[in-house]
This record gives sequence, C-alpha cells and structure tokens, in this order.
Amino acid sequence: QQQVKQSPQSLIVQKGGISIINCAYENTAFDYFPWYQQFPGKGPALLIAIRPDVSEKKEGRFTISFNKSAKQFSLHIMDSQPGDSATYFCAAGQGGSEKLVFGKGTKLTVNP
Amino acid sequence: GAVVSQHPSWVICKSGTSVKIECRSLDFQATTMFWYRQFPKQSLMLMATSNEGSKATYEQGVEKDKFLINHASLTLSTLTVTSAHPEDSSFYICSASPGSFYEQYFGPGTRLTVT
Repeated sequence: QQQVKQSPQSLIVQKGGISIINCAYENTAFDYFPWYQQFPGKGPALLIAIRPDVSEKKEGRFTISFNKSAKQFSLHIMDSQPGDSATYFCAAGQGGSEKLVFGKGTKLTVNP
Repeated sequence: GAVVSQHPSWVICKSGTSVKIECRSLDFQATTMFWYRQFPKQSLMLMATSNEGSKATYEQGVEKDKFLINHASLTLSTLTVTSAHPEDSSFYICSASPGSFYEQYFGPGTRLTVT
C-alpha cells in the first residue's frame, strides 16, 4: 500500500527557532511532494511543493529539502513564529493519478 | 487566486435526514474535485474523486449510495450524505484541481453533526 510516513507527530519550538518535519515514502513513482498547513476548523492550505528534479525549494521562511535516493523530504520553517502554530501535512502525488497520499500530520506549537 | 468555497460551513441534522454540501471553485475551473473526511486530530481520508460530467470514483470502503457526489459543472461539486446517522458526524473537506499536475486547493470544510 502506498504510504507516506510523517514525523514527529507533535513538535514544540520556541519563537525564532527552526521547525523541522520529516516525511518518507516508499513508492518511487511519486513525483510531486506538497506540504499543507491546517489551522483548527479550517481546510488545509497549500504551503509549498517540490518535484523530484530539484533537491531544495525555498519560499520565504519555508524550505523543502528533498532526498531522492533516501526517499525522504522535509519541511523547514525558519524563524518560527507563534502564528505558525498549526498542523502540517506532507503528501505525495503519482504520475497518472490525480490523487494525493497524505501523511498523518504534525502538530506544531511555537511558544512565544 | 485558487479559492475554493464550501457551503454550509457547519450543519446539524437529525438522524435519518439527508444533507447536501456544496463545493465551488471561485476563480478557476476545476477539472477534478475531491471529497475528504477528517476525524479530530487525524489525517485526511479521501472519500471520492469526481470529474465534471462523469460518475465519481469512490475509495474502497466508502458507500457510494450513502455519499452521493455530483460534479455538475467545472466549478461546482456537491456531496449529499443520505440517511445520515451519528457516525457520519465529521469534518468534510473538498478540494479542487485545475488540472495542472496534482495541485489541489482545499475548501474551508463543513462540520456535520448528526443528532
């Protein structure tokens, strides 16, 4: 079964620190890796996404690092802020299918 | 850009009644729409995928006669929960894809409570 394994389940970071969330996948056919941010009671919002032809993508304070050989990708949030406190989901998409496979989510808490 | 709306945002209904949830892509045409269900503190569970003018494709274990999906246009999909029961209470979220390589944009979700 296609899976995306996400860790940690929860993360507490001090304001200004770096938040790192990791995901690993098994299916080498995956070729699209987005991260979503979800606040309580709201739908997920697309944060940043990467394709396997690059090893890193940065947008503002958010960076995705991608390791194709290890089949892993991670989200780095620099200078974490209390407003970043949310649940983050990684996902993976496979060519030929429009469906995304989601990780189980990471609840991030950034303390002031 | 890429805004998806859902209506209603929350609904309470009595057991045995049916509830319809609308999902609209406001500023783009959605070739594909998805319906998810999310339990508290859990990940998103894909229920079905729908393409405009075609029958929805349901994930394994999802009752298609209970969760009726209609994708009538490139900007509107509806999910009808028929003969709702308390165990159907959940957070239902739709997403829409403009067809550009898997990008999915999510609606704000609908909280359904069946009493």
